[in-house]
Amino acid sequence: DTGVSQDPRHKITKRGQNVTFRCDPISEHNRLYWYRQTLGQGPEFLTYFQNEAQLEKSRLLSDRFSAERPKGSFSTLEIQRTEQGDSAMYLCASSSDRVFDEKLFFGSGTQLSVL
Amino acid sequence: KQEVTQIPAALSVPEGENLVLNCSFTDSAIYNLQWFRQDPGKGLTSLLLIQSSQREQTSGRLNASLDKSSGRSTLYIAASQPGDSATYLCAVENTGNQFYFGTGTSLTVIP
Repeated sequence: DTGVSQDPRHKITKRGQNVTFRCDPISEHNRLYWYRQTLGQGPEFLTYFQNEAQLEKSRLLSDRFSAERPKGSFSTLEIQRTEQGDSAMYLCASSSDRVFDEKLFFGSGTQLSVL
Repeated sequence: KQEVTQIPAALSVPEGENLVLNCSFTDSAIYNLQWFRQDPGKGLTSLLLIQSSQREQTSGRLNASLDKSSGRSTLYIAASQPGDSATYLCAVENTGNQFYFGTGTSLTVIP
């Protein structure tokens, strides 16, 4: 068990470009979450997968954001036509759905800077 | 919508002191509550998970309590150490598998 992995760690892009982030959850976890965090704030929920199904999506998530989790394993988060307001730390987390075993395990995050 | 508040926003204590961090939430219909630690520029590490049916959980020098009816949780840290310096966040899970986070308490333990 190597924990939750996120790639890349840092991404600098120009406004209007598309970016894609990858998350590899803990292998036996069937729940996967994406969060966004800005400086001094707590993580803000973006979306949630149970296996390959995307079950929840924040109303704050614009149409420029899309996430996938093919085959219920790794997940990708894509941001199209990036804006400066998208600059943030993007965090991925996974958990089991076994009762009393639902601790969230986070990756180290991808820091996005939009110039 | 669930609102989670953490007080104080920042705390500085001398090494060895016991301390309490507070978390309050507006909707008591929670599934569980977790306390996390976050070091600068890093992801979050889960410290303690309390189910809605439980009153407290302990791990080493950490003890977390939950009073669901009043919408409050506390994280007690005994005999604080400089290595405890970090931001501590609480998060509540409502039914629907959404976690709502507070903005955290930044703790500094002075040697």
